[in-house]
Amino acid sequence: GENVEQHPSTLSVQEGDSAVIKCTYSDSASNYFPWYKQELGKRPQLIIDIRSNVGEKKDQRIAVTLNKTAKHFSLHITETQPEDSAVYFCAASISTDKLIFGTGTRLQVFP
Amino acid sequence: ETGVTQSPTHLIKTRGQQVTLRCSSQSGHNTVSWYQQALGQGPQFIFQYYREEENGRGNFPPRFSGLQFPNYSSELNVNALELDDSALYLCASSGMTSPPGEQYFGPGTRLTVT
Repeated sequence: GENVEQHPSTLSVQEGDSAVIKCTYSDSASNYFPWYKQELGKRPQLIIDIRSNVGEKKDQRIAVTLNKTAKHFSLHITETQPEDSAVYFCAASISTDKLIFGTGTRLQVFP
Repeated sequence: ETGVTQSPTHLIKTRGQQVTLRCSSQSGHNTVSWYQQALGQGPQFIFQYYREEENGRGNFPPRFSGLQFPNYSSELNVNALELDDSALYLCASSGMTSPPGEQYFGPGTRLTVT
């Protein structure tokens, strides 16, 4: 069935360094790829997304890349700050359909 | 913060009981999706409601059921609760006034089954 794999499960970086989280999806019909940030005890918050007709999208310190051929997409955070510490989830869907989530990456940014 | 609200915030139930969770969608949204998030895991899709009809269902048994009302708010009902139903239940709204596929989550209901 549909599946999204996410790596790594935990990531520790020094403040100011970059962080990269990678996901792979199984359903080639997927065309929408959002990323959510979830702080402890809070709701998942949409931080950036990309659609299948685009290869890269950037929003300030956050960027997402998509390789449709390899069915890979990645989240890049530059100049990390302590407030970036959270669990990040990738997801994939077909248009307005259900979101299939990855297993999450716990990012810790040390001052 | 999104305009999606959920009630109650927390709930404790006994195995075998029934529970109803509620979700109010963001203004301008006509679609509600429900997800179950077990501790330390990603959200798992339960089902989606669009114009008061179920519009897709994940791998959950029939004792998980739902409703959507004319004002687009929604309920999730779970019968014959099991210990493994303990989780954070999230609803997400989407539709008319947001780009296709974008879903905005409510704060969730933390259900504990003892």
